[in-house]
Amino acid sequence: GNSVTQMEGPVTLSEEAFLTINCTYTATGYPSLFWYVQYPGEGLQLLLKATKADDKGSNKGFEATYRKETTSFHLEKGSVQVSDSAVYFCALSDKTSYDKVIFGPGTSLSVIP
Amino acid sequence: DAGVIQSPRHEVTEMGQEVTLRCKPISGHDYLFWYRQTMMRGLELLIYFNNNVPIDDSGMPEDRFSAKMPNASFSTLKIQPSEPRDSAVYFCASSLVGQETQYFGPGTRLLVL
Repeated sequence: GNSVTQMEGPVTLSEEAFLTINCTYTATGYPSLFWYVQYPGEGLQLLLKATKADDKGSNKGFEATYRKETTSFHLEKGSVQVSDSAVYFCALSDKTSYDKVIFGPGTSLSVIP
Repeated sequence: DAGVIQSPRHEVTEMGQEVTLRCKPISGHDYLFWYRQTMMRGLELLIYFNNNVPIDDSGMPEDRFSAKMPNASFSTLKIQPSEPRDSAVYFCASSLVGQETQYFGPGTRLLVL
């Protein structure tokens, strides 16, 4: 079945460091891929998405490229801020199943000043 | 626009009591999802509805859990009787058919003593 694997956290970085959170997926067909972010005490919210191979999603300085050949969708940011501290979820949509989204386990990021 | 609304935001109850969680999706959205989030198990999909009809309830942990969606603007998740292992954050999310992005509510933090 479809699944998402993420690098395990927690990840701790200093402010202005480079961020990479790895995500790989297993899916039949051509799913859309997402990164959601959950700030402390809040629900998840969409950070960025990509709907087909080689698409790059971007938002708030974060980027991720849909790599079909490596089944990956790694999240990157060139310079993190304290306000980026959150849990990041990689996800894919199962287009054959009523818009159901499959979430990865989440990666916790802490950015220290 | 109001987002997804959940109530209550916090619930503390004693084992054996009935708990009812409520959700109002974004107006016009076709799908409604109930999730449970714990440290041990991460984010789990419990059940989801399309146009008020339950599509997949395979994630509902046991018969103590039930969910209803009597109309397009309201859903409930009921636990009867509650147990300490039900302590978690319960999220409701909604989406539009074909748009894939899910919009999450702020969650209900449930503690069963």
